[in-house]
Amino acid sequence: GAGVSQSPRYKVAKRGQDVALRCDPISGHVSLFWYQQALGQGPEFLTYFQNEAQLDKSGLPSDRFFAERPEGSVSTLKIQRTQQEDSAVYLCASSLAGLESYGYTFGSGTRLTVV
Amino acid sequence: GQQVMQIPQYQHVQEGEDFTTYCNSSTTLSNIQWYKQRPGGHPVFLIQLVKSGEVKKQKRLTFQFGEAKKNSSLHITATQTTDVGTYFCAGRGYQKVTFGIGTKLQVIP
Repeated sequence: GAGVSQSPRYKVAKRGQDVALRCDPISGHVSLFWYQQALGQGPEFLTYFQNEAQLDKSGLPSDRFFAERPEGSVSTLKIQRTQQEDSAVYLCASSLAGLESYGYTFGSGTRLTVV
Repeated sequence: GQQVMQIPQYQHVQEGEDFTTYCNSSTTLSNIQWYKQRPGGHPVFLIQLVKSGEVKKQKRLTFQFGEAKKNSSLHITATQTTDVGTYFCAGRGYQKVTFGIGTKLQVIP
């Protein structure tokens, strides 16, 4: 597609509920990144894929967070047993190459509110 | 770990005044990127600087990368209301790209 597509745009979850956030990157973009952005903060790195391989997941805040990209295109970020501190905007970004060469194209994000 | 500090956090300017935001890294960077995020929007890539001492211009925007590749700045000349938003630097260290907290620019017409 023309841009990075994320769905849903907004998600309200009850505490303890599981959620799944979807990212559809730009076609042909090898690298895919997930970031978490709290209100008034900069994006915080969560995880990075190159094709289907998850090369860095050091930013995932706990084992409740899980990301996958099984066929090297669409990615899903899953959060189990959501807690209030998980409330944030989850941004997906993709780029043509690896970390070093190109700027990221971000999607519009999923705003998650845990109540 | 790598830290990227950005100042100021907020800046209000009168339309037509200049604006500068500064970015400092705790470690030497491979490159630095700048993004703009409009209110309610997502970060949009502006530019990437790679070389020590590099200066790039985009119309009224001037980007600099320090000689030691640990600091960078974005300068906007004669701000316009369309410049409103939050400007983020993002520094690439060994493996990761780390974003600064951003500078939120308000332009008073």
